[in-house]
Amino acid sequence: AQKVTQAQTEISVVEKEDVTLDCVYETRDTTYYLFWYKQPPSGELVFLIRRNSFDEQNEISGRYSWNFQKSTSSFNFTITASQVVDSAVYFCALSEASMNYGGSQGNLIFGKGTKLSVKP
Amino acid sequence: ETGVTQTPRHLVMGMTNKKSLKCEQHLGHNAMYWYKQSAKKPLELMFVYNFKEQTENNSVPSRFSPECPNSSHLFLHLHTLQPEDSALYLCASSQGQAPYEQYFGPGTRLTVT
Repeated sequence: AQKVTQAQTEISVVEKEDVTLDCVYETRDTTYYLFWYKQPPSGELVFLIRRNSFDEQNEISGRYSWNFQKSTSSFNFTITASQVVDSAVYFCALSEASMNYGGSQGNLIFGKGTKLSVKP
Repeated sequence: ETGVTQTPRHLVMGMTNKKSLKCEQHLGHNAMYWYKQSAKKPLELMFVYNFKEQTENNSVPSRFSPECPNSSHLFLHLHTLQPEDSALYLCASSQGQAPYEQYFGPGTRLTVT
């Protein structure tokens, strides 16, 4: 069965610290997609990144970086030099490409989220 | 970002009321979704529409009734709700139902009294 686990429920850091949010996923599909979303206090989920299962290159976008490791089924997210505006709930999600393993093709399966608080 | 809008933003309703939530996307997408977000629970997918056709109903009680008149608009009609239905209801859209990234609206905070 497909599953996304974000073991860290809450993280609190001081501004300028680096912080890594963990995401571990389970799937039997060989083709799948992984996502990160940010949910600020305003409520809407903001799309951050999508990676497919065949692309294990790490990605960097400004202060954000993602480490995808198929060997450990992990897709971790690091914020470098955190800022107060980074305070939000961050969700990792999985989408399978096929319906062969009991999932629904294309639907996002979300983790429970990690609440990040960045204090000044 | 106003790609996906939702109205109202807040709604308080009694258990015998009938109300509707509205979602509109301005991104030219073909798929639209309703999610429920309760405290301490993962985001729950409720309904999926692709090219105006419902393709997923995730065992949602019949007191929730979706409507998708066109690819840009999605409604969620509510009637005889229960207090446990109080939650944040999020609408999203994506280019297609294949695993494209989904873009979310700000949500409607629903309180059932």
